[in-house]
Amino acid sequence: KAGVTQTPRYLIKTRGQQVTLSCSPISGHRSVSWYQQTPGQGLQFLFEYFSETQRNKGNFPGRFSGRQFSNSRSEMNVSTLELGDSALYLCASSLAGTPSSYNEQFFGPGTRLTVL
Amino acid sequence: GENVEQHPSTLSVQEGDSAVIKCTYSDSASNYFPWYKQELGKRPQLIIDIRSNVGEKKDQRIAVTLNKTAKHFSLHITETQPEDSAVYFCAASILTRSGGGADGLTFGKGTHLIIQP
Repeated sequence: KAGVTQTPRYLIKTRGQQVTLSCSPISGHRSVSWYQQTPGQGLQFLFEYFSETQRNKGNFPGRFSGRQFSNSRSEMNVSTLELGDSALYLCASSLAGTPSSYNEQFFGPGTRLTVL
Repeated sequence: GENVEQHPSTLSVQEGDSAVIKCTYSDSASNYFPWYKQELGKRPQLIIDIRSNVGEKKDQRIAVTLNKTAKHFSLHITETQPEDSAVYFCAASILTRSGGGADGLTFGKGTHLIIQP
């Protein structure tokens, strides 16, 4: 079974631009979560999508948004980029379909975003 | 919201010795505690997890203990080997009651484990 994939792997943008990152979950996984990883703040939860609906959201400004498609693929968008948005953006997928259960989150390789 | 503190930030042990990494959490509603290992340039990978209805869980050389009263949990690695060198992250989350899934994972800042030959 193919793992979680993310595109692109590397991205360089300038301040004020916007960017869209893509995540393809493991086949059959319905939940996709996004995380931002930086040396200073570590891994921080952005949001989670399940069945095309945002189910949970972390503490990030509205410039960070996402969506999920009917095939569970997810995109994350960051508008009006700031220097501080430079980070590794990881997505993770899980089955997340059983009541009162939690399924392991499998991480993708990440997209390294550099904002100049 | 949840806050997870992780200590130490760097841990150096001799090969063959044991390593212990400790985490505390703030939200008493958290009931799921996974540990991830991230090697340099690679993605985080789950190595072990524990739910709040269990006090301890073992998987070969790795064990996790949970003290709900004190709101802390620890990762224990015995007989450390060079391939154990990596950054380890603890995390906490709340399992949802229906529909599966969970609130997003709140991670600790990570522990860089160095295994000295």
